[in-house]
Amino acid sequence: GENVEQHPSTLSVQEGDSAVIKCTYSDSASNYFPWYKQELGKGPQLIIDIRSNVGEKKDQRIAVTLNKTAKHFSLHITETQPEDSAVYFCAASKGYQLTFGKGTKLSVIP
Amino acid sequence: GAVVSQHPSWVICKSGTSVKIECRSLDFQATTMFWYRQFPKQSLMLMATSNEGSKATYEQGVEKDKFLINHASLTLSTLTVTSAHPEDSSFYICSARDALVDQPQHFGDGTRLSIL
Repeated sequence: GENVEQHPSTLSVQEGDSAVIKCTYSDSASNYFPWYKQELGKGPQLIIDIRSNVGEKKDQRIAVTLNKTAKHFSLHITETQPEDSAVYFCAASKGYQLTFGKGTKLSVIP
Repeated sequence: GAVVSQHPSWVICKSGTSVKIECRSLDFQATTMFWYRQFPKQSLMLMATSNEGSKATYEQGVEKDKFLINHASLTLSTLTVTSAHPEDSSFYICSARDALVDQPQHFGDGTRLSIL
């Protein structure tokens, strides 16, 4: 089955700096890669996703890049703000079931 | 759009009782719903997948007689934890998607279950 590795497990950045979270996947047939943000006591919220026919996607301060050859994808958050502090999960899918990474706890220091 | 409502958000009950958790899609048809379990500081673990009108498909190691799932309509799925014990205490999260329009999974806000 699919295996998703996510790094780092924790990340602290100064407000205004950029944050990068990286994921690798094992199944070359995976074709959909969403990123979710989970705040304490809440469910995950979809923040951006990318399909395998696209190499990069951007939405305001958030961007995702995908390298199919290397089987890795990354989340980039620019101009970080305190409200970006949360746990971020990457996931991979080739059908409708998601396989999640273990999560990255992002702390943005004011 | 794509709002998923989960209820209750928190439940505390005695060992041996059964607990029902509801998951509703408010503004779309949820042809497929998923139930996850999440332990503190860990990732989401898929428990089962259900398609409207069909029996749920359970992941390996998940007891189907323990965790009863019903997906009788396009907007509602329920998870019943039968004869709950302290080891069933966890954060349960549902998600839903409309497969007919190839929609992403959208998650509810979870249910914190504490069994005393």
